[in-house]
Amino acid sequence: AQSVTQLGSHVSVSEGALVLLRCNYSSSVPPYLFWYVQYPNQGLQLLLKYTSAATLVKGINGFEAEFKKSETSFHLTKPSAHMSDAAEYFCAVSSFTSGTYKYIFGTGTRLKVLA
Amino acid sequence: EAGVTQFPSHSVIEKGQTVTLRCDPISGHDNLYWYRRVMGKEIKFLLHFVKESKQDESGMPNNRFLAERTGGTYSTLKVQPAELEDSGVYFCASSLVGSRSYNEQFFGPGTRLTVL
Repeated sequence: AQSVTQLGSHVSVSEGALVLLRCNYSSSVPPYLFWYVQYPNQGLQLLLKYTSAATLVKGINGFEAEFKKSETSFHLTKPSAHMSDAAEYFCAVSSFTSGTYKYIFGTGTRLKVLA
Repeated sequence: EAGVTQFPSHSVIEKGQTVTLRCDPISGHDNLYWYRRVMGKEIKFLLHFVKESKQDESGMPNNRFLAERTGGTYSTLKVQPAELEDSGVYFCASSLVGSRSYNEQFFGPGTRLTVL
């Protein structure tokens, strides 16, 4: 069965500092991986997705993630945090079970950006 | 283009009452999904519609939950009778293509359900 683990339910960084949100997956088949962000009072918004085309994936708002098969990781990074990045971030893997593709999510990481 | 909308945004009910959540997917999206997040835990899949047909309802917790999608447009999720453990945020998502592993699902803002 596929699964996703997000280390750290809360992460705090200073404005301008590097953002690193960790995601490890478990999958017996080549995974398709996603990062979503949820801003307050909004829905989940896709940041980026890995579909095996390239291991380094660039997303919106300056975020990127690198797929590392040897480490079964798909960590999300941003070189310089902005106050507007404060949100909850979810890593997900697409899983085919019971005849349908569905997302398996991690427990989420809430990012706080300190002025 | 309008995104996925959900109604209501919040609902507070007492144990034993009935609540109906509604989801309007993006126009033209045949695939509609329901997910739920119980406080502090991961977002979990509940079920998947393709048009008006239930493709997969393996994530539905029990028979107190009933999802419908008459006409293949909007969907409702009814909880009857509600229990305390049903509290959480219910997300709806839709996608144009459901048959690809990398299909992007577009999510609504969620309905926060509190059962007292």
